[in-house]
Amino acid sequence: GAVVSQHPSWVICKSGTSVKIECRSLDFQATTMFWYRQFPKQSLMLMATSNEGSKATYEQGVEKDKFLINHASLTLSTLTVTSAHPEDSSFYICSAPKDTDTQYFGPGTRLTVL
Amino acid sequence: QKEVEQNSGPLSVPEGAIASLNCTYSDRVSQSFFWYRQYSGKSPELIMSIYSNGDKEDGRFTAQLNKASQYVSLLIRDSQPSDSATYLCAVKFGNTPLVFGKGTRLSVIA
Repeated sequence: GAVVSQHPSWVICKSGTSVKIECRSLDFQATTMFWYRQFPKQSLMLMATSNEGSKATYEQGVEKDKFLINHASLTLSTLTVTSAHPEDSSFYICSAPKDTDTQYFGPGTRLTVL
Repeated sequence: QKEVEQNSGPLSVPEGAIASLNCTYSDRVSQSFFWYRQYSGKSPELIMSIYSNGDKEDGRFTAQLNKASQYVSLLIRDSQPSDSATYLCAVKFGNTPLVFGKGTRLSVIA
């Protein structure tokens, strides 16, 4: 069964609004979670590493003030896309490591900004 | 710069054949290697992990690792149309997040 969940699975919003995406590890604790973005027919792009109890680590070129990450507990990380614009429309996927290195992905959230 | 390279494909094989997917990586210190499958519009799902040189088999899938050559492969026996997907190779370099290849698109022709 699934080991990582995401909510919502899809969302449509108006330009300028903010959208929050939740990522939960199921029946295991994750001090670290990862957020990826994937545009159609392109590869996964790591956006940031979410750290429980401390600030997220953002990859080069990712705006930390636009993509707010909060690792609220050992099983929950949230990604908030602030002031979303059409170019932010993408497939956002989180993942969490279980059993040391093995990384499991959530089902993803498809964001469409009108 | 840690890199993982894959042929983007598409790799087309007839149903029932063996599909061979290859991946090379840049750092000899790498310890953990993973294969994921991603169907169109879905998130990646883990197929196999491999940590030691040699072969590791799980059902129709066999992962092969050769650390000296910095090479990891995935063989899919008796390929089925349902195996048609993009296959992602991922490598753990030290304490950094997994580094993914761009993926190889596999098409199994019925």
